[in-house]
Amino acid sequence: AQSVTQLDSQVPVFEEAPVELRCNYSSSVSVYLFWYVQYPNQGLQLLLKYLSGSTLVKGINGFEAEFNKSQTSFHLRKPSVHISDTAEYFCAVSGRTGGSYIPTFGRGTSLIVHP
Amino acid sequence: EPEVTQTPSHQVTQMGQEVILRCVPISNHLYFYWYRQILGQKVEFLVSFYNNEISEKSEIFDDQFSVERPDGSNFTLKIRSTKLEDSAMYFCASSEDSLTEAFFGQGTRLTVV
Repeated sequence: AQSVTQLDSQVPVFEEAPVELRCNYSSSVSVYLFWYVQYPNQGLQLLLKYLSGSTLVKGINGFEAEFNKSQTSFHLRKPSVHISDTAEYFCAVSGRTGGSYIPTFGRGTSLIVHP
Repeated sequence: EPEVTQTPSHQVTQMGQEVILRCVPISNHLYFYWYRQILGQKVEFLVSFYNNEISEKSEIFDDQFSVERPDGSNFTLKIRSTKLEDSAMYFCASSEDSLTEAFFGQGTRLTVV
């Protein structure tokens, strides 16, 4: 079984400030890790993913995340946020379930960027 | 850029009625998924579909739910007799294979009254 915990349901931040959205996971098998973003009234869009290799992964819109196996974390960061980054962010873990990898999602973190 | 499309964007139905949610996955993808998101809650896995059969399903996906790929392009989710608690946003997703990321549609908001 696998699970994802997003520790913050809401993160308010001022424009141009740095932000970190936290994600911890548990799994008994090797995993792939993802961050998705959901803008209002839209679907889920992939921000970045970790499959293997370098533990620091860079995604779209200036976001990056670091895979920390010992702490089972995959926190999302951005050094300077924009108003347009206001959205819901979902961390997902994909581990082998039966014969395939099924993404399991966290509850989401609402990032609110204030001017 | 290829995308997953879902129709309708919003469906209102009476309790006990059957609904069919439709999805057109990306054309060269082989794995298809349905997820749902009850308002304010997390995105929950319902079912995955590969090679014209269900490959995995969650405990949410009971006998009231079924999936079908009727014509090689559409991928449908049917709820036989809707309940109030089926009200949610339903997302369809597809992926090239089981190891790559899933691409999501914009969702169908189902409201059961």
